[in-house]
Amino acid sequence: NFMLTQPHSVSESPGKTVTISCTRSSGSIASNYVQWYQQRPGSSPTTVIYEDNQRPSGVPDRFSGSIDSSSNSASLTISGLKTEDEADYYCQSYDSSNAWVFGGGTKLTVL
Amino acid sequence: QVQLVESGGGVVQPGGSLRLSCAASGFTFSSYGMHWVRQAPGKGLEWVAFIRYDGSNKYYADSVKGRFTISRDNSKNTLYLQMNSLRAEDTAVYYCAKEVHYEHFDYWGQGTLVTVSS
Repeated sequence: NFMLTQPHSVSESPGKTVTISCTRSSGSIASNYVQWYQQRPGSSPTTVIYEDNQRPSGVPDRFSGSIDSSSNSASLTISGLKTEDEADYYCQSYDSSNAWVFGGGTKLTVL
Repeated sequence: QVQLVESGGGVVQPGGSLRLSCAASGFTFSSYGMHWVRQAPGKGLEWVAFIRYDGSNKYYADSVKGRFTISRDNSKNTLYLQMNSLRAEDTAVYYCAKEVHYEHFDYWGQGTLVTVSS
């Protein structure tokens, strides 16, 4: 199985843009879709990006996703940061050996 | 609207057993695979187990293989997780989650807390 590695924490000011990375340890990042989940304190995860760069209805277009084969990583970018974006963010991908892999999570602080 | 409601969590001694349930509504339960995902206190998400829509295939994380069993009753719209030989490291909030396009999750329950402690 591969691993997905995220920075433990990031912080940025309201109105700015932040990018959270997710690096796959082995195999191509493009082999399987990458999803991003937001988890606010005390709540269940919700999807903000699915299938690398798709936004579910209701998720603002301030959220965007991408993959970069050269660095074998995926990225979640949040522009025009709001205090309500403060949460933990997890990347996730499927391992073709029938396992579902999560990154360790990134705590986003909007200060 | 889709609802997933977990139950069955509680405090259990090491080596003990517990069965979690997840009652589903708002979608055709028998048409979708379902997962259990857990989150230890202050830690990240960990996938635990998956069952296909008809129960024909089940997959487990290495950390629970041989101890946990996922099952479903499509007539009752309910997902289960039988947990045996519980260890302290199994202490976590357990979420059930609905699959979408096989590779990811679109709806999650509110979670049920399992505490393994003597």
